[in-house]
Amino acid sequence: AQTVTQSQPEMSVQEAETVTLSCTYDTSESDYYLFWYKQPPSRQMILVIRQEAYKQQNATENRFSVNFQKAAKSFSLKISDSQLGDAAMYFCAYRSTGANSKLTFGKGITLSVRP
Amino acid sequence: ETGVTQTPRHLVMGMTNKKSLKCEQHLGHNAMYWYKQSAKKPLELMFVYSLEERVENNSVPSRFSPECPNSSHLFLHLHTLQPEDSALYLCASTRDRTHEKLFFGSGTQLSVL
Repeated sequence: AQTVTQSQPEMSVQEAETVTLSCTYDTSESDYYLFWYKQPPSRQMILVIRQEAYKQQNATENRFSVNFQKAAKSFSLKISDSQLGDAAMYFCAYRSTGANSKLTFGKGITLSVRP
Repeated sequence: ETGVTQTPRHLVMGMTNKKSLKCEQHLGHNAMYWYKQSAKKPLELMFVYSLEERVENNSVPSRFSPECPNSSHLFLHLHTLQPEDSALYLCASTRDRTHEKLFFGSGTQLSVL
């Protein structure tokens, strides 16, 4: 079974600085999808970024980018120019490519942004 | 208007009570999900409905009873819950049941006394 590990429960970053959130996963599959979801204090989770394992290019969405290391099974999220609104819980998730495959989530990491 | 709406936002209930959680999506999606979020644990998928048919039940105790009367509405009926059932219950929807790009509601924070 696939597992997703987020080993850091909390991180803090200074406003306007860059922070990297770590995620590792375990799978025997060669093709799959990886996601980062953000859960702000409002509790409504939103998709931040998505990566397809067969694509070598790292996904980027504005200030958010990933460092996908397939051989190391590592999928970290980099937030550049951190803003106060980035304070939230961030969840890493994995999904295989099967039609009915489920998302497997990590435990999440709480990011605080210092003004 | 948010795409997925959940009510109530907070709920406190005794172990002998019966209550229901409601979820409504305005996105025209065909699949809806219930997740349980407990502190310091990964999200747990409870139920999946696709086109109003329950397609997945992840060994959830029978004291949780889902209902999907149409593709826009999802309920979670609760009865004789235990204190360990206290958690944030999240509803989500997707265009189809591929679990691709989930749209979440804001959840119901449930406390069982």
